[in-house]
Amino acid sequence: GAVVSQHPSWVICKSGTSVKIECRSLDFQATTMFWYRQFPKQSLMLMATSNEGSKATYEQGVEKDKFLINHASLTLSTLTVTSAHPEDSSFYICSAAGQGYGQPQHFGDGTRLSIL
Amino acid sequence: RKEVEQDPGPFNVPEGATVAFNCTYSNSASQSFFWYRQDCRKEPKLLMSVYSSGNEDGRFTAQLNRASQYISLLIRDSKLSDSATYLCVETNFNKFYFGSGTKLNVKP
Repeated sequence: GAVVSQHPSWVICKSGTSVKIECRSLDFQATTMFWYRQFPKQSLMLMATSNEGSKATYEQGVEKDKFLINHASLTLSTLTVTSAHPEDSSFYICSAAGQGYGQPQHFGDGTRLSIL
Repeated sequence: RKEVEQDPGPFNVPEGATVAFNCTYSNSASQSFFWYRQDCRKEPKLLMSVYSSGNEDGRFTAQLNRASQYISLLIRDSKLSDSATYLCVETNFNKFYFGSGTKLNVKP
């Protein structure tokens, strides 16, 4: 089945640090990748939709200068949390949808980010 | 109004029970539908696609009712390992809409 790899799985760092998370589709080409955030006991929240070779589309309330997304190839998207603060601590999950009509999303394992 | 609505539960059922979840959607033009399961502190995993004719995968049956705009998931002979949150998803031109999830607790 389709595999999406996300790295790192867990990050603990000091306030003010920038953190980069990678999302790779390993066995298929993903025109579109998605970035989500999930707080404990809450639903997935879509942050942005990333299309290869173009600027990401951010959901309302998500700061594009805070959460930098790059989707340079059909198999790699990155999310950089710039100058992270404790309130940015969350579970960040990427997903990728294959090319073609009606393809489901496949999720990476997620990155647990803790800012001290 | 949300695109996709789900009863958050929790549904507490004994092992061996049959349980069903429904999920309603608002966009009649929605193209594809899926069920995912998400375990605590883990990423969602695709459980099954949902087809108009209905489809079955072992103990799981998914159905789509376009006239009433809902999809359903039936789980037969529940196992302890079925305890999770079940998310329904509808898509329209590569935009995905997730329900907030229905929590299932299967108890011994």
